[in-house]
Amino acid sequence: NAGVMQNPRHLVRRRGQEARLRCSPMKGHSHVYWYRQLPEEGLKFMVYLQKENIIDESGMPKERFSAEFPKEGPSILRIQQVVRGDSAAYFCASSPRDRGTSRAYEQYFGPGTRLTVT
Amino acid sequence: KNEVEQSPQNLTAQEGEFITINCSYSVGISALHWLQQHPGGGIVSLFMLSSGKKKHGRLIATINIQEKHSSLHITASHPRDSAVYICAVMGGNKLVFGAGTILRVKS
Repeated sequence: NAGVMQNPRHLVRRRGQEARLRCSPMKGHSHVYWYRQLPEEGLKFMVYLQKENIIDESGMPKERFSAEFPKEGPSILRIQQVVRGDSAAYFCASSPRDRGTSRAYEQYFGPGTRLTVT
Repeated sequence: KNEVEQSPQNLTAQEGEFITINCSYSVGISALHWLQQHPGGGIVSLFMLSSGKKKHGRLIATINIQEKHSSLHITASHPRDSAVYICAVMGGNKLVFGAGTILRVKS
């Protein structure tokens, strides 16, 4: 049973280009979370998605950032017109269905994508 | 004040020592996670707990919901335990993270 997969592991973009980060959750998991870790800073929540739905995007910057989790395929975090301040490690995590209860399920993290903007 | 506070920020120990890392939080939570991150590496979930105590190998995690406090203990520490240990609380839809504790175990 493969873990959470992220690709690419390292991504270099010039200022103004687009970055696309992909996350494939663990088998059987339908919840995906994206987190960002800026250099020398802690992890911060960005967005929480279920299949075809954005549940909570309160941590997403208002401009240039978007996320999706289509019915088929991986979740995508897209950053348009990247700037140097976007350089960071982006982690994806997944968890199983919550069956509509308030129970918390463990999140399993991917290896991260390290984005460098030059 | 941050919602999740960890102490100490940095910790250096000698191999074999018993280590404790503390985490206090100020919000209502459904669960608390302890995570491990190696330099330049990914994040591994060590524990998720909402009450009591859990043990896995040389690692022990406890939580006191009334006092909003959790501890991570490492018994018989080893240089391979050197990493950043991060406390994260689950509130609503998301994890809120502490700043992490940088642990270095010297042989």
